[in-house]
Amino acid sequence: SAVISQKPSRDICQRGTSLTIQCQVDSQVTMMFWYRQQPGQSLTLIATANQGSEATYESGFVIDKFPISRPNLTFSTLTVSNMSPEDSSIYLCSVDLRSHEQYFGPGTRLTVT
Amino acid sequence: AQTVTQSQPEMSVQEAETVTLSCTYDTSESNYYLFWYKQPPSRQMILVIRQEAYKQQNATENRFSVNFQKAAKSFSLKISDSQLGDTAMYFCAFMKQSGTYKYIFGTGTRLKVLA
Repeated sequence: SAVISQKPSRDICQRGTSLTIQCQVDSQVTMMFWYRQQPGQSLTLIATANQGSEATYESGFVIDKFPISRPNLTFSTLTVSNMSPEDSSIYLCSVDLRSHEQYFGPGTRLTVT
Repeated sequence: AQTVTQSQPEMSVQEAETVTLSCTYDTSESNYYLFWYKQPPSRQMILVIRQEAYKQQNATENRFSVNFQKAAKSFSLKISDSQLGDTAMYFCAFMKQSGTYKYIFGTGTRLKVLA
């Protein structure tokens, strides 16, 4: 397994502002993923972030709203831009370590007021 | 497109008893992986068990075991000797063996273990 940390763990933000969430892994990984989990719901994949290439976004998610950086093999950021209350969710990063298993960070709970 | 269905939104079980959580999926793929994840109130997603579709033998991890029926596209999780710490949301997930490594998650089953 791996140790995956996320910062911040939670935040309360005002509508119209942006928040950048960091994901740090204690080992080098090729594939990182960002998910959104709305209150009481399942996980929805936002994008796949591979080092050295542009992130691949899922249907319904766009780069202008959720820009992602992947500067190296241990780190990624997700920005939630121009936030609205509908963006209130838990945001999780995960990594594919080996053998097609994903390990998740502890999540960032975002509340937009 | 693949879909994953968990038809039991909530379940409860007495401590030390056995409970089975259901999961069905739909795919035209022949090679894939299936997973069960646990998300306790702390919200950390924890991998419970995984099954490769090409393996006929059901996976087992201590008190957790699966009943994998490939033809029926069914993948249920059995928890034996339930413990209070098993209280959590349980998500079933599907991933194709080749391609994008993306997970498709079910909607989850909230399990409460009663003392």
